[in-house]
Amino acid sequence: QVHLVQSGAEVKKPGASVKVSCKTSGYTFTNYVTHWVRQAPGQSLEWMGWINGGTGNTKYSQKFQGRVTITRDTSASTAYMELSSLRSEDTAVYYCTRSGGMDVWGQGTTVSVSS
Amino acid sequence: DLVMTQSPLSLPVTLGQPASISCRSSQSLVHSDGNTYLNWFQQRPGQSPRRLIYKVSNRDSGVPDRFSGSGSGTDFTLKISRVEAEDVGVYYCMQGTQLPVTFGGGTKVEIK
Repeated sequence: QVHLVQSGAEVKKPGASVKVSCKTSGYTFTNYVTHWVRQAPGQSLEWMGWINGGTGNTKYSQKFQGRVTITRDTSASTAYMELSSLRSEDTAVYYCTRSGGMDVWGQGTTVSVSS
Repeated sequence: DLVMTQSPLSLPVTLGQPASISCRSSQSLVHSDGNTYLNWFQQRPGQSPRRLIYKVSNRDSGVPDRFSGSGSGTDFTLKISRVEAEDVGVYYCMQGTQLPVTFGGGTKVEIK
């Protein structure tokens, strides 16, 4: 069974960075792209970027370019998303989801940014 | 960026009655490979999104057959033939034809 399990909730101060992990199981991690999508409170879904599990190539939304870094550890079948220079508007639930049309999602990681 | 516009914003439905959600894209979603990468997701309160439909009209495994997707080009529809209590939540369309991936604003389905 395919699972994506994310790291726990984070509370950060403005200007700090956060790194969220997404541990996958039940499929060959290197055969898929892992996307990162976020959802601010009461808002729709927003795509941030993806990483190719096999090649490590990344693609980022222009909105987050320069602030987001997506990496992976193939030995652990895990993807990571790091967002820097956090501001209050980055308060959201962050999801990882598998390519192939986003068929499976992680449980989400709440990131709260507040002074 | 491709803009996805959903309507209505809110959809109160009587149990057992049909429901229909519209999704329009600012450009055609037909990819150069001939596929149309338009998916529908359901998000129940407090849960992660769950994919219901992929590539316009293909129902995911385990999704009840009362859910159906249709459309082409720039106009797409998600239909629920007979709404049940467990269908309450927010529904999103998403295009994966062109980067960046973009989502519609969501349609909240509630029981009258």
